[in-house]
Amino acid sequence: EAQVTQNPRYLITVTGKKLTVTCSQNMNHEYMSWYRQDPGLGLRQIYYSMNVEVTDKGDVPEGYKVSRKEKRNFPLILESPSPNQTSLYFCASSLSNPGLEDNEQFFGPGTRLTVL
Amino acid sequence: GQNIDQPTEMTATEGAIVQINCTYQTSGFNGLFWYQQHAGEAPTFLSYNVLDGLEEKGRFSSFLSRSKGYSYLLLKELQMKDSASYLCAADFSGNTPLVFGKGTRLSVIA
Repeated sequence: EAQVTQNPRYLITVTGKKLTVTCSQNMNHEYMSWYRQDPGLGLRQIYYSMNVEVTDKGDVPEGYKVSRKEKRNFPLILESPSPNQTSLYFCASSLSNPGLEDNEQFFGPGTRLTVL
Repeated sequence: GQNIDQPTEMTATEGAIVQINCTYQTSGFNGLFWYQQHAGEAPTFLSYNVLDGLEEKGRFSSFLSRSKGYSYLLLKELQMKDSASYLCAADFSGNTPLVFGKGTRLSVIA
């Protein structure tokens, strides 16, 4: 089944404790992206990757890191989480840049992160 | 940054038609996506418009006017399961990120 998976789905942690949220897709997509979704603010892009070893900042990259060592995986790293990073996080992938033709993004199920 | 505006909430009756509007800044605009998101779930793709006009997909249609910076999603024969948030997202040139609106929460009532 074609899908985007994220782990963990739920995480409660404390300020300053490094964490990684994994994202994997099995559709051989080139483009992958991380979003956070907050009430009243909608979906905001954190980082995106056009292909292996190519990553770029989105709208809200501060406090986050990503890597794209292989095509299928795009982990999101919070080196020193803070309470303002409490949010719902979505990973997404698409065949290529979402703006090309009707290049829909497929979203993972989401990770609800709480930083105390 | 680019602003995408859509109403925060709408309510409509089962069996009726509802139109959800979305406006965006036209400078550098490429195309516009609509996504549906049920509470607690991931967004799912509904449509992508790049040309002016109406595109129909079953009960859902999406319209775009490039010159006016305006799009709408039209939902016909509303069903209770259509209660969800509807997100519009605009793509702009220059490899810039997709810009999402804050979403319109639609409640379908009996």
